[in-house]
Amino acid sequence: GENVEQHPSTLSVQEGDSAVIKCTYSDSASNYFPWYKQELGKRPQLIIDIRSNVGEKKDQRIAVTLNKTAKHFSLHITETQPEDSAVYFCAASSPGWSGGSNYKLTFGKGTLLTVNP
Amino acid sequence: DTGVSQNPRHKITKRGQNVTFRCDPISEHNRLYWYRQTLGQGPEFLTYFQNEAQLEKSRLLSDRFSAERPKGSFSTLEIQRTEQGDSAMYLCASSLGAVQLGYGYTFGSGTRLTVV
Repeated sequence: GENVEQHPSTLSVQEGDSAVIKCTYSDSASNYFPWYKQELGKRPQLIIDIRSNVGEKKDQRIAVTLNKTAKHFSLHITETQPEDSAVYFCAASSPGWSGGSNYKLTFGKGTLLTVNP
Repeated sequence: DTGVSQNPRHKITKRGQNVTFRCDPISEHNRLYWYRQTLGQGPEFLTYFQNEAQLEKSRLLSDRFSAERPKGSFSTLEIQRTEQGDSAMYLCASSLGAVQLGYGYTFGSGTRLTVV
């Protein structure tokens, strides 16, 4: 099955700096890579995603890059703000037992990002 | 209907008791997923429904776990004879279509189960 590794497990930056979180995946059939932000005690929320036919996607201060050959993808947050502090999870899609389209997401273990004012 | 709703938010139960959780997905979403999250870990896949059909159940789940989605609307997750190792956050998510087409999951707020 799919295996997703995420690094670093914790990341501390100063407000205004950039933050980068990296993930690798194992299943070459994976074709969808979302990133979720989870604040303490709250639900994971989708912040950005990328499909395998795209190398990079940006949405204001956040961007995701994908290298299919190397099977890794990264989240980039620029001009970090204290409200960016949270746990960030990467995930990769994979086909399940029932075959057909990819529906299962395998998540990394998360990165605790702390933005210091 | 503004999101995925899960009930109860918290459940404390004694070891050996049965518990049932409910998930109400976004109404037009035909795909529903259950995940489990323990402290310091990412969500782990438990089971997947497309409409009322349960298409996959993770090997993580013992026979004590069962899930249903009658009529393809809300879903229930039941744990029989609970054990302390079942303590976790149980997350439900739904999506409008296949993730490979870019349909992301929307998660509920979860049910936190504590087995004492």
